Amino acid sequence: AQTVTQSQPEMSVQEAETVTLSCTYDTSESDYYLFWYKQPPSRQMILVIRQEAYKQQNATENRFSVNFQKAAKSFSLKISDSQLGDAAMYFCAYRSPNTGNQFYFGTGTSLTVIP
Amino acid sequence: GAVVSQHPSWVICKSGTSVKIECRSLDFQATTMFWYRQFPKQSLMLMATSNEGSKATYEQGVEKDKFLINHASLTLSTLTVTSAHPEDSSFYICSARDWGRTHTEAFFGQGTRLTVV
Repeated sequence: AQTVTQSQPEMSVQEAETVTLSCTYDTSESDYYLFWYKQPPSRQMILVIRQEAYKQQNATENRFSVNFQKAAKSFSLKISDSQLGDAAMYFCAYRSPNTGNQFYFGTGTSLTVIP
Repeated sequence: GAVVSQHPSWVICKSGTSVKIECRSLDFQATTMFWYRQFPKQSLMLMATSNEGSKATYEQGVEKDKFLINHASLTLSTLTVTSAHPEDSSFYICSARDWGRTHTEAFFGQGTRLTVV
């Protein structure tokens, strides 16, 4: 099974500053999808951003962007102009089109935003 | 995006009883749904893949006789925790993909917090 690693259990950022969350994964597949999900205290999983492996261009969604390095199997999330509402657990996830479309999640990074 | 509704949001039950959790796709058809378990401050652990009209596929180490999954329609999957014990207390989350759309992400239910006393 694919493994997803998030090496930062906790991160903090000052409000309005920028923070980068790290994620690496292990796979032998060439075609796959990567995601960042946010889980606030309500525990509802919310999609932040997605990246298709065949696309070289890094995905962006407003204040959220990724640095996708396919050869290095790295998929970091950058949050710009951090807001208090960004405080949450962030999970990196891998989806393979070949293994029942299962999602494999990293262990998560708890992000604190300091006012 | 597509909406997945999970019910109940929380439930308390006595040890030895069974609890059923429902997962519904409200505005799309989901031939496949996924059930996860999440312990406090930990990641989501895939328990099983629920397939409409067929048996669920369970992950290694998950007791299929204890966690019964039924996916009787294209919009509903249920997880029944049978003979629940305190160690089954956890947060259970379902997710589904909308195969009719081009989106590749999964949509998640609100989760169910199960407490067995």
